[in-house]
Amino acid sequence: QKEVEQNSGPLSVPEGAIASLNCTYSDRGSQSFFWYRQYSGKSPELIMSIYSNGDKEDGRFTAQLNKASQYVSLLIRDSQPSDSATYLCAVKDSGNTPLVFGKGTRLSVIA
Amino acid sequence: KAGVTQTPRYLIKTRGQQVTLSCSPISGHRSVSWYQQTPGQGLQFLFEYFSETQRNKGNFPGRFSGRQFSNSRSEMNVSTLELGDSALYLCASSLNQGMGFFGPGTRLTVL
Repeated sequence: QKEVEQNSGPLSVPEGAIASLNCTYSDRGSQSFFWYRQYSGKSPELIMSIYSNGDKEDGRFTAQLNKASQYVSLLIRDSQPSDSATYLCAVKDSGNTPLVFGKGTRLSVIA
Repeated sequence: KAGVTQTPRYLIKTRGQQVTLSCSPISGHRSVSWYQQTPGQGLQFLFEYFSETQRNKGNFPGRFSGRQFSNSRSEMNVSTLELGDSALYLCASSLNQGMGFFGPGTRLTVL
């Protein structure tokens, strides 16, 4: 059974700080990794994808992947109250198999 | 480019009834995946259709079924509704698996 684990939170950070969200996965064959943001009452929105070890930056967001340790993280710099949401980690292997989601980490950015 | 659309957005049904939900993917996307989201279980994969064929299926009872049409639109059906079927049902479209773009969801309430 492929599993994706996330701390449910809530993770509370002050406005302007760096929020660090972590995700571990069980399947060593995983090749593609995604972060989704879900606001309360809304559907998940794709914010980052990463496929290779290392860091990938997009604006205030940085995704980090370490396949040897089987973890992927998302850093949000200069956190804003509008970043308050649940962040879902999703993982996929190379075959015709679906995305496997973690249960998400709830982030609260305090003004 | 129009996003993923789902209809209806809200449904209220009673136990024992059946329901059909519809999803229209992003133009050009051939893969449609369905997920059930509940507060306790997170996002759980139901099934995925690609070019009118069910390519993957999650661990849900046979009461849950789906299909995809030649224009890539997909429907899912739940028969003999149970109280536990109350959830947000999300569909995600993609070119050929990989990252998925979610629709707004259908909120189903079973009384």
